[in-house]
Amino acid sequence: DAMVIQNPRYQVTQFGKPVTLSCSQTLNHNVMYWYQQKSSQAPKLLFHYYDKDFNNEADTPDNFQSRRPNTSFCFLDIRSPGLGDAAMYLCATSRGRGQFFGPGTRLTVL
Amino acid sequence: AQKVTQAQTEISVVEKEDVTLDCVYETRDTTYYLFWYKQPPSGELVFLIRRNSFDEQNEISGRYSWNFQKSTSSFNFTITASQVVDSAVYFCALSEAPGGSEKLVFGKGTKLTVNP
Repeated sequence: DAMVIQNPRYQVTQFGKPVTLSCSQTLNHNVMYWYQQKSSQAPKLLFHYYDKDFNNEADTPDNFQSRRPNTSFCFLDIRSPGLGDAAMYLCATSRGRGQFFGPGTRLTVL
Repeated sequence: AQKVTQAQTEISVVEKEDVTLDCVYETRDTTYYLFWYKQPPSGELVFLIRRNSFDEQNEISGRYSWNFQKSTSSFNFTITASQVVDSAVYFCALSEAPGGSEKLVFGKGTKLTVNP
């Protein structure tokens, strides 16, 4: 029944050590999103894929990259995590009827 | 530009009380969608409702109800007979109509605490 799956649920990395978060979906939605949510704040959109078209938000740091090898999977790469990148990372998908979110990956940077 | 305002940062009620969470939005689009999401302590954003701009009918789902008024640009959410399990952060959000990216603009959220 799982629709939007994120792995891992908890990720610990070291300052400056690259990390990849993954998202997969069984909904066959054409749009996938990555959000960053820091404590007590609203989710902040980092980027989204409309089919294969990548759309970066203007204020998303270059440190964040994304890949979508096929419809079902999308990855978030953080090239050199800093302490300020510790947050919940949420993946979402949509196809004309609103966005559906995964459970999130909580990233800790030591 | 689109904007969503949730003026209530935190609300605390006692179980069985009714509670209304306010949401006011701004948009220049004539066609748009409004949403409410629930975020329990576990962190997942749970979809509650989606309402398009042409449908001003109020909606009721169990103890939840939503009041959409275009005249005041508001989309308020009421929980009747609140329960401890309703404790969460609730986000109101706005998106453009389907066909585009459907990017969501979130309000800052309202933290609801329901005390036994």
